[in-house]
Amino acid sequence: QVQLQESGPGLVQPSETLSLTCSVSGGSITSYFWSWIRQPPGKGLEWIGFIYYSGSTNYNPSLKRRVSISVDTSKNQFSLKLSSVTPADTAVYYCARDKYYDSTGYYDYWGQGTLVTVSS
Amino acid sequence: QSVLTQPPSVSGAPGQRVTISCTGSSSNIGAGYDVHWYQQLPGTAPRLVIYGNTNRPSGVPDRFSGSKSGTSASLAITGLQAENEADYYCQSYDSALSGKVFGGGTKLTVL
Repeated sequence: QVQLQESGPGLVQPSETLSLTCSVSGGSITSYFWSWIRQPPGKGLEWIGFIYYSGSTNYNPSLKRRVSISVDTSKNQFSLKLSSVTPADTAVYYCARDKYYDSTGYYDYWGQGTLVTVSS
Repeated sequence: QSVLTQPPSVSGAPGQRVTISCTGSSSNIGAGYDVHWYQQLPGTAPRLVIYGNTNRPSGVPDRFSGSKSGTSASLAITGLQAENEADYYCQSYDSALSGKVFGGGTKLTVL
């Protein structure tokens, strides 16, 4: 059974960089795509971007200028960096396994999510 | 404003059948991109209940079914149970936005 666990600071200062890591257990990170998705409090889901185990990425155009996703296959982890954050970036951040195909794809395994608050 | 439009809420009595619609356009569902559905219980991560328009993952009851036609898709739940009370989201891809998109979510209330 694949399990994902997000980790990182729960509070980030405005204009700083949000950094989160997703640890994958119960399976290898290789041969799959891996995504970050966020959900502002009381609102819907927003796709942030995904990475293939080889390192190729694809980002939400609305966040592309500020987002970077990387992978460390030796640690079975992938990471998210979101720069120049504002209070609008306050959300629960989820990592998920992405069964990517034909430009789409679905998320079959999810982390429990971690709340990141942007505030001074 | 979500690219995929869902009703904010639906409700039904135990045992009844409910459907949740997901309306898109020619750049997403109408372009042939698959639709996937997620259930989110309060305070938990989303759970995949339908993928590829009509397919159920292992462990999802056959009371859940999906369909797609033209620029819309639907999730149907039969034999409604109290445990089905949750938020439901559709998801697809939009070629105009060059990215994956979610519907705004529908809150299902079991009366």
